[in-house]
Amino acid sequence: DQQVKQNSPSLSVQEGRISILNCDYTNSMFDYFLWYKKYPAEGPTFLISISSIKDKNEDGRFTVFLNKSAKHLSLHIVPSQPGDSAVYFCAASTFGDKLIFGTGTRLQVFP
Amino acid sequence: GAVVSQHPSRVICKSGTSVKIECRSLDFQATTMFWYRQFPKQSLMLMATSNEGSKATYEQGVEKDKFLINHASLTLSTLTVTSAHPEDSSFYICSASNVAGGDTDTQYFGPGTRLTVL
Repeated sequence: DQQVKQNSPSLSVQEGRISILNCDYTNSMFDYFLWYKKYPAEGPTFLISISSIKDKNEDGRFTVFLNKSAKHLSLHIVPSQPGDSAVYFCAASTFGDKLIFGTGTRLQVFP
Repeated sequence: GAVVSQHPSRVICKSGTSVKIECRSLDFQATTMFWYRQFPKQSLMLMATSNEGSKATYEQGVEKDKFLINHASLTLSTLTVTSAHPEDSSFYICSASNVAGGDTDTQYFGPGTRLTVL
């Protein structure tokens, strides 16, 4: 049973535009959500996180939105840059326990 | 931010041999580390939770006698793939949380180890 789902395996966005990556989850006990960025043959890099008591967290070009009623979170990147091209994983955890990862979305930002 | 290192970054071994992968937290103490495996075009799959000073907790379907985990200190966890076979070839990644630093939720990942078994 996939508790964290990223239904879009890939996304292509023009440089300067907004990239929106989506993530859905099924476990209502999740209280912490994170986004990681991953380049090939490297470990994931922490990007941004959000606690379940919030509905938005912003850090520079990156904003994460959480909709608890819909069990949905999204990552907005604006403006998108070619260096943002990578695989993005959303992850969720309960009370600091192990992370449950989505399957990832490959973002490609073209000029 | 917290830094996690892994060694080696890449290893090639013959079938039947054992390979040890180290995971170190460089600037913080980690009472808990996690080991993941990534297959091509797939997500990260949690293999086990490594607890300092106690036995690791393995996920369902992971052979604990094949993937030996030792968390001997607060900054080092090792994963030993015993009697490796070609199907063990994969990308192994560890992570750790900076619990002592007050950040219990964010996991920091090592750069990963590419294992190829011939």
